[in-house]
Amino acid sequence: AQSVTQLDSHVSVSEGTPVLLRCNYSSSYSPSLFWYVQHPNKGLQLLLKYTSAATLVKGINGFEAEFKKSETSFHLTKPSAHMSDAAEYFCVVSPGGSYIPTFGRGTSLIVHP
Amino acid sequence: GAVVSQHPSRVICKSGTSVKIECRSLDFQATTMFWYRQFPKKSLMLMATSNEGSKATYEQGVEKDKFLINHASLTLSTLTVTSAHPEDSSFYICSAGTGTGPYNEQFFGPGTRLTVL
Repeated sequence: AQSVTQLDSHVSVSEGTPVLLRCNYSSSYSPSLFWYVQHPNKGLQLLLKYTSAATLVKGINGFEAEFKKSETSFHLTKPSAHMSDAAEYFCVVSPGGSYIPTFGRGTSLIVHP
Repeated sequence: GAVVSQHPSRVICKSGTSVKIECRSLDFQATTMFWYRQFPKKSLMLMATSNEGSKATYEQGVEKDKFLINHASLTLSTLTVTSAHPEDSSFYICSAGTGTGPYNEQFFGPGTRLTVL
């Protein structure tokens, strides 16, 4: 069994300040983990993925995430928010041995000028 | 990266009609395609998994006769919403994977907004 918990439904930051979107997971197998971004009325775009190599994963648009097995977490961060980062973010877990992914409920990132 | 297209991007239909949505992998062969439904301000709900040349595997609670899925080739899967009703109005997203291993990412289509009047 697997599950994903995105701890915040909304995160609000000011432009230029750091972003932290939290994700915890559970999986019976060694998982692969993904963060996707969805802008309004658009499809999903992959930000980054963890595939058992380096625990600190760098993605597009300045985002990165750190896989912490002891904490079963895969939090998404960015040093400085930009207005264009305002979107919905989904944490996804795909366990080893199976390809069916599980989506978190999503976190809406709001960026204030 | 790999590109997945969906057609149409937006469709409005009358209650009782059927609507077909196409999902194509443009520059790769997709062994597996997934269909998701997304309600407003909600996460994606997996509806079904389809493998080329075989019957789709539907998630619990999804009506097989209502949502017909065909995966006729390695680059095309279709979702047909039969006898659509207003409660079927939603954002439908497909994704395609290039393999069955655990590290294969999915490539998502842009989505289709279905509105049933």
